Amino acid sequence: QVQLQESGPGLVKPSETLSLTCTVSAASISGYFWSWIRQPPGKGLEWIGYIYSSGNTNYSPSLKSRVTMSVDTSKNQLSLRLSSVTAADTAVYYCARVGPYSTFCLDYWGQGTLVTVSS
Amino acid sequence: DIQMTQSPSSLSASVGDRVTITCRASQSISSHLNWYQQKPGKAPRLLIYGASSLQSGVPSRFSGSGSGTDFTLTISSLQSEDFATYYCQQTYTTPWTFGQGTKVEIK
Repeated sequence: QVQLQESGPGLVKPSETLSLTCTVSAASISGYFWSWIRQPPGKGLEWIGYIYSSGNTNYSPSLKSRVTMSVDTSKNQLSLRLSSVTAADTAVYYCARVGPYSTFCLDYWGQGTLVTVSS
Repeated sequence: DIQMTQSPSSLSASVGDRVTITCRASQSISSHLNWYQQKPGKAPRLLIYGASSLQSGVPSRFSGSGSGTDFTLTISSLQSEDFATYYCQQTYTTPWTFGQGTKVEIK
């Protein structure tokens, strides 16, 4: 069973950079797309972007100027960095695998980690 | 961006009811439509991909249909564990977008 686990600071100050790691177990990162999604408290889901195991990325235009995703295949980890954060970036952040199907879909998800932006 | 609109936003139903949730895309997305179930405090769970393909391990009471701009998620006989919020998602083009969610509550 593929497992994903997000980790990182739960509190980030405004204007600073949010940094999260997603550790994947029971599956290799190689050969798959991986995605980050966020959900503000009490609200819906927002796609942040995806990264292929080779490092190719596709970011949401609304966040593109502030987002960086990377992969470390040796550690089987993904990383997300979001710069110049504001209170609007407070959310539960999820990493997920893009399933190997005929269409893109998110078949395995991490449990999510709440990041609060506050001074 | 492609806008995804779900209806209703919430509904009340009883165990055993047949429940239908609709999702409309602002432009054609062929069959690149997925459905997820989310329970409070939990990550979303993939139910249906490609508009009508049932994800492994998902009960057969869940089904999906549609193509183009109009899609439906049907729960044939609602069970207690199905009370949750359901989201549709298009992956026809980036940015991938989700519907606003439909909360299924106990009547």
